[in-house]
Amino acid sequence: DAGVIQSPRHEVTEMGQEVTLRCKPISGHNSLFWYRQTMMRGLELLIYFNNNVPIDDSGMPEDRFSAKMPNASFSTLKIQPSEPRDSAVYFCASIQGRSNQPQHFGDGTRLSIL
Amino acid sequence: GDSVTQMEGPVTLSEEAFLTINCTYTATGYPSLFWYVQYPGEGLQLLLKATKADDKGSNKGFEATYRKETTSFHLEKGSVQVSDSAVYFCAPQNSGGYQKVTFGTGTKLQVIP
Repeated sequence: DAGVIQSPRHEVTEMGQEVTLRCKPISGHNSLFWYRQTMMRGLELLIYFNNNVPIDDSGMPEDRFSAKMPNASFSTLKIQPSEPRDSAVYFCASIQGRSNQPQHFGDGTRLSIL
Repeated sequence: GDSVTQMEGPVTLSEEAFLTINCTYTATGYPSLFWYVQYPGEGLQLLLKATKADDKGSNKGFEATYRKETTSFHLEKGSVQVSDSAVYFCAPQNSGGYQKVTFGTGTKLQVIP
């Protein structure tokens, strides 16, 4: 079975540009999470979707960040405008709808804002 | 709120040494407990889990026991290999509708030949 698929794997862009990160969860998983990982802050939860509906977006750092899940097989995380401090690895994870199941992570998008 | 305390790394061990990575947590309710491992350039992946008190999770020679009375889930391995070099995350997960996971800061393990 295909795992969680993220694209692109690497993104380098200049400050002020719009950045869109994409995620395809595992088929049949009804919850999706976006995380950001940095050396300074570790792994931070940005937003959680359940059945395509945002349930917890308290971790979204600023209005420059937005996330959507238009259907069960696709989600985007957008940063507009981007800033150098947004440089990090962004992970998407999905989970089947039972609390004792593990999250399945994609390989991440390494984002560098110059 | 929920929190996790993991021993700080990096931890450097010689091959075949015994490994313990301590983890204690605070959580509301009765969480499931997970250890995830992250290899360089990859996402986190499940290492082992335990879903109720006194359960022992095990995988690839690693073990951890769900200790409700001490709210701990320490990771152990009797004989580490170079290939075990990675970052390890302890992660309690809420029971109930919102499967929020609280990740520890991660413990980097380096095993030298």
